[in-house]
Amino acid sequence: SAVISQKPSRDICQRGTSLTIQCQVDSQVTMMFWYRQQPGQSLTLIATANQGSEATYESGFVIDKFPISRPNLTFSTLTVSNMSPEDSSIYLCSVGPGDTEAFFGQGTRLTVV
Amino acid sequence: GQNIDQPTEMTATEGAIVQINCTYQTSGFNGLFWYQQHAGEAPTFLSYNVLDGLEEKGRFSSFLSRSKGYSYLLLKELQMKDSASYLCAVRDSNYQLIWGAGTKLIIKP
Repeated sequence: SAVISQKPSRDICQRGTSLTIQCQVDSQVTMMFWYRQQPGQSLTLIATANQGSEATYESGFVIDKFPISRPNLTFSTLTVSNMSPEDSSIYLCSVGPGDTEAFFGQGTRLTVV
Repeated sequence: GQNIDQPTEMTATEGAIVQINCTYQTSGFNGLFWYQQHAGEAPTFLSYNVLDGLEEKGRFSSFLSRSKGYSYLLLKELQMKDSASYLCAVRDSNYQLIWGAGTKLIIKP
């Protein structure tokens, strides 16, 4: 199993600013995943963060808007840049699934005003 | 394209049984997952199926038919705390999770 500490748990930000979300895992993992979940929607994968290489972004997400760092095998950050109200969402980091399940951080509830 | 379908919302009575269906069309199959998500919280793992058949875990059971691209989650002896969204996810040939939109389950007394 894996325990993921994600912070901040929530924030209210002004449009045009940036927010960096951090995730710390209690064990070394090769890949970490960043998801967005808009109200009433399911999870949408933003990107996969690999240690030692650039993140792989899904269609519709770009590095300039969502830069990701992965400095080591237990830590990653996602920055939401130049925020607009449309970026209001829950952001989740995840590891796995390995053999059986994916583990999630507690989530960051972002409100952009 | 890849697609996972599950009902948007279901209502059931406390103490009863409810079955939440999930059908999928994905590029490859490497397991199907069910997660529970309470409002404002992260998803938590419920079950995993990779072979056909029924997996039972306490009040919750999950069934898989790979030939039909079909799974269901069965919840017995429903409790008020079971009110949540239930997410179906399939791991595809690239070992990436494809998520359904989730089923919001409302439990009434």
